[in-house]
Amino acid sequence: DIQMTQSPSFLSASLGNSITITCHASQNIKGWLAWYQQKSGNAPELLIYKASSLQSGVPSRFSGSGSGTDYILTISNLQPEDIATYYCQHYQSFPLTFGSGTKLEIK
Amino acid sequence: EVQLVESGGGLVQPGRSMKLSCAASGFTFNNYDMAWVCQAPKKGLEWVATISYDGSSTYYRDSVKGRFTISRDNAKSTLYLQMDSLRSEDTATYYCARRGSSFDYWGQGVMVTVSS
Repeated sequence: DIQMTQSPSFLSASLGNSITITCHASQNIKGWLAWYQQKSGNAPELLIYKASSLQSGVPSRFSGSGSGTDYILTISNLQPEDIATYYCQHYQSFPLTFGSGTKLEIK
Repeated sequence: EVQLVESGGGLVQPGRSMKLSCAASGFTFNNYDMAWVCQAPKKGLEWVATISYDGSSTYYRDSVKGRFTISRDNAKSTLYLQMDSLRSEDTATYYCARRGSSFDYWGQGVMVTVSS
């Protein structure tokens, strides 16, 4: 099974700043990576698929990059509505696995 | 508008069964693979199972193989998860999701509590 190691677990940043979240796969997932945002009490929402493709309706402040085993989610110009937990997920093969999540707090 | 509405959750005793349903609307259901994803209280997301658009292929996480069965009725635009031999560690919110691999739409989730 492919393991996804996500870091950091917790992140505190100021409005207007940029943050990055990283995800490391235990083997090459060939760009088959998605990022999700989950706000408290809600279902997750897809932000990024195929490592860098922005899901329709998602603000361009969100971007994804990476290849092979290492991937990054960047959120620029942090807004109050970005308070959430973020998850990466590979879909290179079954079983699909998620990272452990990054909880983002606004200072 | 794409909508996924889960139902069928609740409290169940260990060893018993429960069947979840997910009613889909706003898209051509039989064009899409579908999946179930769960989230234990205060924990992260875990993929449970995926079914192909025509029901011919199914995939499961190891911990539910032989106990859970994913199925679909394309005529009713409904996805199912039959859960047998339930364990306390199956306690979670269960989400149905569109697409079998990267999930572009999610239901609101249904809570399943396995406890005596």
